[in-house]
Amino acid sequence: GAVVSQHPSRVICKSGTSVKIECRSLDFQATTMFWYRQFPKQSLMLMATSNEGSKATYEQGVEKDKFLINHASLTLSTLTVTSAHPEDSSFYICSVPGLELDEQFFGPGTRLTVL
Amino acid sequence: AQSVAQPEDQVNVAEGNPLTVKCTYSVSGNPYLFWYVQYPNRGLQFLLKYITGDNLVKGSYGFEAEFNKSQTSFHLKKPSALVSDSALYFCAVRDETSYDKVIFGPGTSLSVIP
Repeated sequence: GAVVSQHPSRVICKSGTSVKIECRSLDFQATTMFWYRQFPKQSLMLMATSNEGSKATYEQGVEKDKFLINHASLTLSTLTVTSAHPEDSSFYICSVPGLELDEQFFGPGTRLTVL
Repeated sequence: AQSVAQPEDQVNVAEGNPLTVKCTYSVSGNPYLFWYVQYPNRGLQFLLKYITGDNLVKGSYGFEAEFNKSQTSFHLKKPSALVSDSALYFCAVRDETSYDKVIFGPGTSLSVIP
């Protein structure tokens, strides 16, 4: 299966700053990547679909201006949490669709803590 | 709209005993069902999926799941639990009209007691 990495694995920042999270597909090209958010002991909530070469598709209730997504290449998508606040603290996970229709390969996640 | 329910937040089972993690779903069309496992501070790992065919699906690490259309359930099972099976388990579903857009259940924390 695909290998998906995320960087950083853990980040602590001050309220009001912006944080960039990278998601890389290491062994094959991905025109689409997904970004999820997971609160402690809760499920994954799909935030947005990142599309290479075009704008991301955001799920209802997700602020586009707050969670900026850039799919810069076929192997890299970035999620930037702008003007982060403590309520943005969460575990952010990306995934890459596989070659088969229902395959998804998940990154290890990034834990964001906003002080 | 599609949805997934996992009625148990926590399941405790003794090592060596059979385990069941429950999942029920709701979709408008034919369901595509999945089970994922998440170990602490790690990404989700795929266990198994049901698309069509045999209602009993076998997956990784000795897990299996049974699709029951009449009960709209897709319970995860393993005949003999290991301590290393302790993790968070997520059931997920998509319907045939939502390509790649998977909805996850709330998760069930499984603890296997030595």
